[in-house]
Amino acid sequence: TQLLEQSPQFLSIQEGENLTVYCNSSSVFSSLQWYRQEPGEGPVLLVTVVTGGEVKKLKRLTFQFGDARKDSSLHITAAQPGDTGLYLCAGAVETSGSRLTFGEGTQLTVNP
Amino acid sequence: DVKVTQSSRYLVKRTGEKVFLECVQDMDHENMFWYRQDPGLGLRLIYFSYDVKMKEKGDIPEGYSVSREKKERFSLILESASTNQTSMYLCASLGDRVTYEQYFGPGTRLTVT
Repeated sequence: TQLLEQSPQFLSIQEGENLTVYCNSSSVFSSLQWYRQEPGEGPVLLVTVVTGGEVKKLKRLTFQFGDARKDSSLHITAAQPGDTGLYLCAGAVETSGSRLTFGEGTQLTVNP
Repeated sequence: DVKVTQSSRYLVKRTGEKVFLECVQDMDHENMFWYRQDPGLGLRLIYFSYDVKMKEKGDIPEGYSVSREKKERFSLILESASTNQTSMYLCASLGDRVTYEQYFGPGTRLTVT
């Protein structure tokens, strides 16, 4: 089973601060997704990256896929309380068919 | 927009009961998945299905079975519920066979007493 290590596990910051969440593996992924999950709800897809070195921006969120397609990061600029939630990364390995490997998640709390 | 719905948001069952969790997607997706989510353990794959009447075991299939009689519906069955099956159950369908993006339902919080 491929492992996706996500860090940090918990993050509590003040509104306006910047933060970065990391997702690392020894496996090469054909694609990697980031999801956000709010309490009592299912994960919602934020972005998918497929090309090594790719950078995608979604308003204040910046997603990067490592050159070797083994790692990814999520950077949030000027965090807001509405960014609070569980952030999950998930990767697809070509040999695993349609199955995804999920990281354990980063619980982000942004305090007003 | 892809819509994945689950039959119940909250469910309380007694030990030994047979429990059915249903999931419906409206986008004609072939692949569907059932996960459970527990604190500190992340999302764990129970079963998945890649077509009608086709199913494959995930990482933790023990104590569960599934049914896929129609393409849009994927059911998870707990044959005899136990307290260690208290969890959040999430259904997902595969939206893109190139990027493997999955779309999740809102989840069912199951408590077995």
